[in-house]
Amino acid sequence: DAKTTQPPSMDCAEGRAANLPCNHSTISGNEYVYWYRQIHSQGPQYIIHGLKNNETNEMASLIITEDRKSSTLILPHATLRDTAVYYCIVRFNTGKLIFGQGTTLQVKP
Amino acid sequence: DTGVSQNPRHKITKRGQNVTFRCDPISEHNRLYWYRQTLGQGPEFLTYFQNEAQLEKSRLLSDRFSAERPKGSFSTLEIQRTEQGDSAMYLCASSWGQADTQYFGPGTRLTVL
Repeated sequence: DAKTTQPPSMDCAEGRAANLPCNHSTISGNEYVYWYRQIHSQGPQYIIHGLKNNETNEMASLIITEDRKSSTLILPHATLRDTAVYYCIVRFNTGKLIFGQGTTLQVKP
Repeated sequence: DTGVSQNPRHKITKRGQNVTFRCDPISEHNRLYWYRQTLGQGPEFLTYFQNEAQLEKSRLLSDRFSAERPKGSFSTLEIQRTEQGDSAMYLCASSWGQADTQYFGPGTRLTVL
């Protein structure tokens, strides 16, 4: 089973920031936190990943707590095209990804 | 397009038939993964290759399933004697190495009638 816990669904107004939480209380010191999203009927799309420090790229920001037991993915200005299922994944050393149920983000006009 | 490609994108077959899917990874990626996703669930790991070597297989991969990556480039996933329970999206991903980010293809949607 996946070692992460996410809310099943969230809503966000278009143009506002979307903050998606994830709990990973059993994460090991050398395991990364990865975020992917999946738009209906497409393959998962990589968003961002991090180990200890906060990370930012052109798509999103990732905030990881100091104890690494939780993280938040931030989409700074959500658009309707950001409506998707967002997966938070703690990555095993072998590289395989263990997906949970994810959070369905609905961006509303 | 330099991303991961999968063919066919859709496959409809009758129960008991054999099907084969192909995955072409990103060039020079030496790791290739197969996942399966059923409706409403997240993707589930099936197997992965490092170059041509198959290094891990999930217990989800029954004897009817076989995957190959003969030259360390493209991979094929074959399902023999398909069952209705095999209906799913079959996803392929590739990465440069163990610690590298995996990039997914668009998937092959299988429907077994």
